[in-house]
Amino acid sequence: DAGVIQSPRHEVTEMGQEVTLRCKPISGHNSLFWYRQTMMRGLELLIYFNNNVPIDDSGMPEDRFSAKMPNASFSTLKIQPSEPRDSAVYFCASSLRVGGWGTQYFGPGTRLTVL
Amino acid sequence: QQQVKQSPQSLIVQKGGISIINCAYENTAFDYFPWYQQFPGKGPALLIAIRPDVSEKKEGRFTISFNKSAKQFSLHIMDSQPGDSATYFCAAGEGSNSGYSTLTFGKGTMLLVSP
Repeated sequence: DAGVIQSPRHEVTEMGQEVTLRCKPISGHNSLFWYRQTMMRGLELLIYFNNNVPIDDSGMPEDRFSAKMPNASFSTLKIQPSEPRDSAVYFCASSLRVGGWGTQYFGPGTRLTVL
Repeated sequence: QQQVKQSPQSLIVQKGGISIINCAYENTAFDYFPWYQQFPGKGPALLIAIRPDVSEKKEGRFTISFNKSAKQFSLHIMDSQPGDSATYFCAAGEGSNSGYSTLTFGKGTMLLVSP
């Protein structure tokens, strides 16, 4: 398997622009997670989906952030409008949870820089 | 509220030495404690995990020690090698009756193993 795929790997944009990050989870996995990583705050869970349904979005910073999962093989995280404080590495992870815990497999991340 | 506290922030160990990273948690409902390893430019990857019904788990050179009463767990890397140089994250997860579960991560420890 190719693992979790994220695109783009790097994104540089100007404040106020819309940013869309994309994720393709591992085939067959039923849970998908979006994380943000910064030096100050570490690894933060933004939102997670189970069977394509958003379960908990309490980690989404504010209304400028939105996430969708239209099908089992694709998810997007959108920031509109973007701000410099959104600069971070954004990770997507997926897992197959059957009964107990399923290992979360992380993608390579998207490094976002908002100027 | 930081639910998982990790220390130290950084660690330098000589090749062949023992690396020890500690974590403490507050939520007694946590029932899954994984450690993730992250190399620069990569996403975190599961290294080893433990559940609270055992006090120790060993996989190769990596051992998790778990103290339920103290709400602490630690990662020991025996015979540390330069290839172990990475950032290590502890995490804790709480299962739920609904079947949905997420992880709370510590802030990470940057380990450098000197040759």
